[in-house]
Amino acid sequence: EAQVTQNPRYLITVTGKKLTVTCSQNMNHEYMSWYRQDPGLGLRQIYYSMNVEVTDKGDVPEGYKVSRKEKRNFPLILESPSPNQTSLYFCASSSWVVGGGYTFGSGTRLTVV
Amino acid sequence: GQQLNQSPQSMFIQEGEDVSMNCTSSSIFNTWLWYKQEPGEGPVLLIALYKAGELTSNGRLTAQFGITRKDSFLNISASIPSDVGIYFCAGRSGATDSWGKLQFGAGTQVVVTP
Repeated sequence: EAQVTQNPRYLITVTGKKLTVTCSQNMNHEYMSWYRQDPGLGLRQIYYSMNVEVTDKGDVPEGYKVSRKEKRNFPLILESPSPNQTSLYFCASSSWVVGGGYTFGSGTRLTVV
Repeated sequence: GQQLNQSPQSMFIQEGEDVSMNCTSSSIFNTWLWYKQEPGEGPVLLIALYKAGELTSNGRLTAQFGITRKDSFLNISASIPSDVGIYFCAGRSGATDSWGKLQFGAGTQVVVTP
C-alpha cells in the first residue's frame, strides 16, 4: 500500500531533550515535507526537500532541523524542544511527475512540558 | 510569508444542504488544492486545479480556480453526515525552484446535523 509512515504517533517529552520524529514513504516521491498543525492556524510548512541532500525552509523553520540522506526518509529533529513546539506534526510526500499535492502521514502529536 | 485567507471558519449545516467555502491569497498561485481532514488522520487530497477559470468536480464536490488566480472556491452539494471534517485550501506559486512549497489556509470546520 502506498503510504507515508511517521513515528511515533504520540510523544511527550521535556524541555531541552533532543528528539527525532521519523518519516518514510514507499512511493519513490522526490519531494517530502514537514508541517505543523495548530488550532486556528491550519497547516504551516516547516521544511521541505526536493531530493536527497536538497532541503529548503518553509514558513516556520526556527527550532527544527531536517536531513534527507535517503530518498525514502525525511526525519524531523528538534535539538532543544520548547513548550511552544507542542503541536500536531505531519510528514508528507509528493512527486513532480505525478503532480497534485502532498500525500500526508497520520500525524505525530508532540507535547513538550 | 504569503497569507491564505479561508472562510468561513466553521459551518453548521443540515443534511441535504449545499456548502460553499472560499480561499483568497495575497499573491498569484498557479495551483490550487482542496483537502479534507477527518479526526485523527492526515489531510486527504480532494481536488487539484491547475488553470485559471478551471472548474473540476469529484462526486458531490466542485471546486473552481478563480480568474484572478488569487482565489478558489469549494462547493459541496446535498451534504451527508460523512462530509463532517475540516476542509483546507492550499496553494502553490509555481516557481520551479519552490514547487515543494505548498501553503495552507486555516481550514473550514464543517458539521452536518441530521
